[in-house]
Amino acid sequence: SQKIEQNSEALNIQEGKTATLTCNYTNYSPAYLQWYRQDPGRGPVFLLLIRENEKEKRKERLKVTFDTTLKQSLFHITASQPADSATYLCALDREGDKLIFGTGTRLQVFP
Amino acid sequence: NAGVTQTPKFRILKIGQSMTLQCTQDMNHNYMYWYRQDPGMGLKLIYYSVGAGITDKGEVPNGYNVSRSTTEDFPLRLELAAPSQTSVYFCASSPPPQSFEQFFGPGTRLTVL
Repeated sequence: SQKIEQNSEALNIQEGKTATLTCNYTNYSPAYLQWYRQDPGRGPVFLLLIRENEKEKRKERLKVTFDTTLKQSLFHITASQPADSATYLCALDREGDKLIFGTGTRLQVFP
Repeated sequence: NAGVTQTPKFRILKIGQSMTLQCTQDMNHNYMYWYRQDPGMGLKLIYYSVGAGITDKGEVPNGYNVSRSTTEDFPLRLELAAPSQTSVYFCASSPPPQSFEQFFGPGTRLTVL
């Protein structure tokens, strides 16, 4: 069955550094992958979508890569700020009209 | 636009009780979804709908029912609540094609005792 893995351990980094989060998947070839941000007590908020034929996508301080050979996506936040502290979820399309979500990685940026 | 709204925000049920979680979106999106999120787990799809009058099961539909009589509303019905249904429930919507982003509501925290 399809499986998505995100590092369940929290990632702690210092303000100004680049945060890199990993999303690995198995038994699947998604057409696209999405990243969401979730703050405590709130619903997820969409950040970026990358398609299988795209290697990299950028939006302001965010960068996503998608390696379909390694079955992996990397999510980077450059010049991280304490306001970037949240849980980040990756999601893959399934059967075209549904998403399967990873468990998320909690990022903590300290001053 | 209010986006996706959910009511109630919190609810405590006794075992065997029933309730309806309300979800409304004002973005004229065709696609709507219900997820549950348990601690340390990813979002699990309960039911989804691709338009008014059309619903289908997701990964974890047992114990739940949905209806979609209008584009705006997608209520989730819990029948005979069980402790295993203690969770946070999120409703989401997206415009077709589905590869666009999903817009989530603020969630309903449900406890079944």
